[in-house]
Amino acid sequence: AQSVTQLGSHVSVSEGALVLLRCNYSSSVPPYLFWYVQYPNQGLQLLLKYTSAATLVKGINGFEAEFKKSETSFHLTKPSAHMSDAAEYFCAVSVLNSGYSTLTFGKGTMLLVSP
Amino acid sequence: GAGVSQSPRYKVAKRGQDVALRCDPISGHVSLFWYQQALGQGPEFLTYFQNEAQLDKSGLPSDRFFAERPEGSVSTLKIQRTQQEDSAVYLCASSAEGYTEAFFGQGTRLTVV
Repeated sequence: AQSVTQLGSHVSVSEGALVLLRCNYSSSVPPYLFWYVQYPNQGLQLLLKYTSAATLVKGINGFEAEFKKSETSFHLTKPSAHMSDAAEYFCAVSVLNSGYSTLTFGKGTMLLVSP
Repeated sequence: GAGVSQSPRYKVAKRGQDVALRCDPISGHVSLFWYQQALGQGPEFLTYFQNEAQLDKSGLPSDRFFAERPEGSVSTLKIQRTQQEDSAVYLCASSAEGYTEAFFGQGTRLTVV
């Protein structure tokens, strides 16, 4: 069964600092991996996804993630944090069924950005 | 519509009351998903529709939960005899097909008191 683990329920950074949010996955098949962002009282917005093409994936708002099979990781990074990046971030793995796929999410990491 | 629309945005129910949550997917999207997000947790899959057919209801936590999509468009998630543990945000998502990107609505926050 596929699963994801996000290390750290909260991460605090200063504005302008590097953002690193960790995600490790477990999958018996080559995974499709996703990062979503959720702002307060909002739904989920897709940041980026890995679908077995390039291992370094670039997403919206300056975020990127690198798929490392040897480490079973898909960490999310951004070189310089903005105040507007403060939100909750979820890593997810796609679970393939017959004719459709669903998502299994991690527990989320709250990113706090201080001035 | 421009995006997935869910109503109501907030619902307070007394324990034992029945509730109905509505999801209006993106027009033309074949696939529709419901997820439950408890406080401090990631979303968890509840059920999947392909057009009007409910192909997967493996995530529904009990027989008090029921979902339908009778005309292959709008979907309703119904919870009977609500319990405190049903308090959560219920997210609806739709996609053009089963394997394509899913777009999420803003969710309905259900509080059972």
